[in-house]
Amino acid sequence: EAQVTQNPRYLITVTGKKLTVTCSQNMNHEYMSWYRQDPGLGLRQIYYSMNVEVTDKGDVPEGYKVSRKEKRNFPLILESPSPNQTSLYFCASSQGRGGPQHFGDGTRLSIL
Amino acid sequence: AQSVTQLDSQVPVFEEAPVELRCNYSSSVSVYLFWYVQYPNQGLQLLLKYLSGSTLVKGINGFEAEFNKSQTSFHLRKPSVHISDTAEYFCAVSVGGSNYKLTFGKGTLLTVNP
Repeated sequence: EAQVTQNPRYLITVTGKKLTVTCSQNMNHEYMSWYRQDPGLGLRQIYYSMNVEVTDKGDVPEGYKVSRKEKRNFPLILESPSPNQTSLYFCASSQGRGGPQHFGDGTRLSIL
Repeated sequence: AQSVTQLDSQVPVFEEAPVELRCNYSSSVSVYLFWYVQYPNQGLQLLLKYLSGSTLVKGINGFEAEFNKSQTSFHLRKPSVHISDTAEYFCAVSVGGSNYKLTFGKGTLLTVNP
């Protein structure tokens, strides 16, 4: 089954404690991306990756890092989380023309 | 930079009624356009997309959308909705043939009442 898997699904943590949200896809897709969803703001793109070792900033990259060492994985790293990063995060992947085709189920982060 | 405006934040309708969810975008160059649906506590699913060609695009679950370049719009329609269509719908645009840099609208919550 085609899947984008995110872990963890839920996390409550404290300001300044480094965390990583993992994302893995089993479809051999080239493109992967991270979004955050906030009430009334829709989805905003954080980072995207066109292929292994190729990443670029989206609209709201401040406070986040990513890496793409393998095609299937695209982790999102918060080096020093702050409360304004409390949000619902989605990873997505796609192949060929036409935008994200598969989304993960989301990770709800609460930074206290 | 491109932007997407979803004109209605909430649309309540009765079951079996037609519905139109409105989306306008701003861009001076060619665009790809998308509609996604998000059911409660789930990720997004791609409903349909316009890349090129016919301006009327058909998607899953009986939805369709029409690309209108002169009005910079991409409205989503369904002739008869079901209770199960209750969800949040997002319009998105990518500019200049980009496959990966997407800008989303703020979403429209469609509520279908019996």
